[in-house]
Amino acid sequence: DVKVTQSSRYLVKRTGEKVFLECVQDMDHENMFWYRQDPGLGLRLIYFSYDVKMKEKGDIPEGYSVSREKKERFSLILESASTNQTSMYLCASSKYSSYNEQFFGPGTRLTVL
Amino acid sequence: GIQVEQSPPDLILQEGANSTLRCNFSDSVNNLQWFHQNPWGQLINLFYIPSGTKQNGRLSATTVATERYSLLYISSSQTTDSGVYFCAVEEGGKLIFGQGTELSVKP
Repeated sequence: DVKVTQSSRYLVKRTGEKVFLECVQDMDHENMFWYRQDPGLGLRLIYFSYDVKMKEKGDIPEGYSVSREKKERFSLILESASTNQTSMYLCASSKYSSYNEQFFGPGTRLTVL
Repeated sequence: GIQVEQSPPDLILQEGANSTLRCNFSDSVNNLQWFHQNPWGQLINLFYIPSGTKQNGRLSATTVATERYSLLYISSSQTTDSGVYFCAVEEGGKLIFGQGTELSVKP
């Protein structure tokens, strides 16, 4: 079975702190994704990556950056956390192809005070 | 971009009842997935179904790509089926999600 893990289920940070959210997949997937989910707004794509050291902006990249130094690991970075970044963050991965089923991690509920 | 609409937005069922959830999309797609989001927030893959019909236990799904819709059937519902059901379609390598159907199954 595909397994996608995220470093924390719950995280509380202060405004202005630098925050790292880590995601690891064990199925040798090329593609990895970061989404955030907010009530009434659904799931929105922040960044994605098709390969090591590659990254592409999604629909809402402002305030975020990402790092993919190894194929299995995709990190989301909040350089200076703000209260409007309080959200549920979901990581996903998929094989590289035109028809790619995405698999999700358990999510991280981030609260920024 | 592709628009994805799900209906109904909310559904309350008595345990044992059957239900049909619908997903309409505005353009042809290569990939359509159904997910169940459990109360803890985890998105569980139900079906990868760009076309045709699949069944998995009490759940089945049908996608009619030419008519741009997909249906998720839940039979003999159980309280553990409660949660939010999402459909998502692929566009340019990214998944576009519908707003979800929130299902509540009462004992």
